Amino acid sequence: DIVMTQSPDSLAVSLGERATINCKSSQSIFYSSTNMNYLAWYQQKPGQPPKLLIYWASTRESGVPDRFSGSGSGTDFTLTISSLQAEDVAVYYCQQYYNIPRTFGQGTKVEIK
Amino acid sequence: QVHLQESGPGLVEPSQTLSLTCSVSGGSIGSGGYYWSWIRQHPGKGLEWIGYISYSGSSNHNPSLKGRITLSVDTSRNQFSLKLSSLTAADTAVYYCARGSDWIDSWGQGTQVTVSS
Repeated sequence: DIVMTQSPDSLAVSLGERATINCKSSQSIFYSSTNMNYLAWYQQKPGQPPKLLIYWASTRESGVPDRFSGSGSGTDFTLTISSLQAEDVAVYYCQQYYNIPRTFGQGTKVEIK
Repeated sequence: QVHLQESGPGLVEPSQTLSLTCSVSGGSIGSGGYYWSWIRQHPGKGLEWIGYISYSGSSNHNPSLKGRITLSVDTSRNQFSLKLSSLTAADTAVYYCARGSDWIDSWGQGTQVTVSS
């Protein structure tokens, strides 16, 4: 199985400041024949299911604010919230879909400082 | 906008079989184009992928479930289902049905399943 490791486990950021979450895969999830990284990001608020934010490592899902962006390739990826808003308080997960089984990171909790 | 809703027992005894159904509205499973997934979340923990199935019954699942899992689809009812056998306390979790086999773009609200006697 591909192990997805996120860092940090939690972070506190002031409103309007940048939040950066890292995700590292235990093997490359870049598929050369498609030139794509098989990685998605989700946001989960308490009592709610996860919500898709980004797929193909950097493609924003329709309706997701542009303050959310994804980057990275191979084994190292980043989710950036450029200007943290109160409604962004949540747990964020990365997920690889390079192979079976699909696997998720352990989650990163984002709070307001 | 597709909507997914899980249904099933909230409490199941150890060694029994869990049966969950996901009802889909706002889109037809039989139209193809998507796979339909199950994902679970243990209390206070992260997400675990269980498996997915297509409208034709083509499926894939997490090998960690070691043959305990059965996925099925009923296009006439616009539903898909999960059966998980030989339950233990470790299967206590919130179970989500969802759309997608790569990234998941739509999720049900989830149903809590507790394994206990």
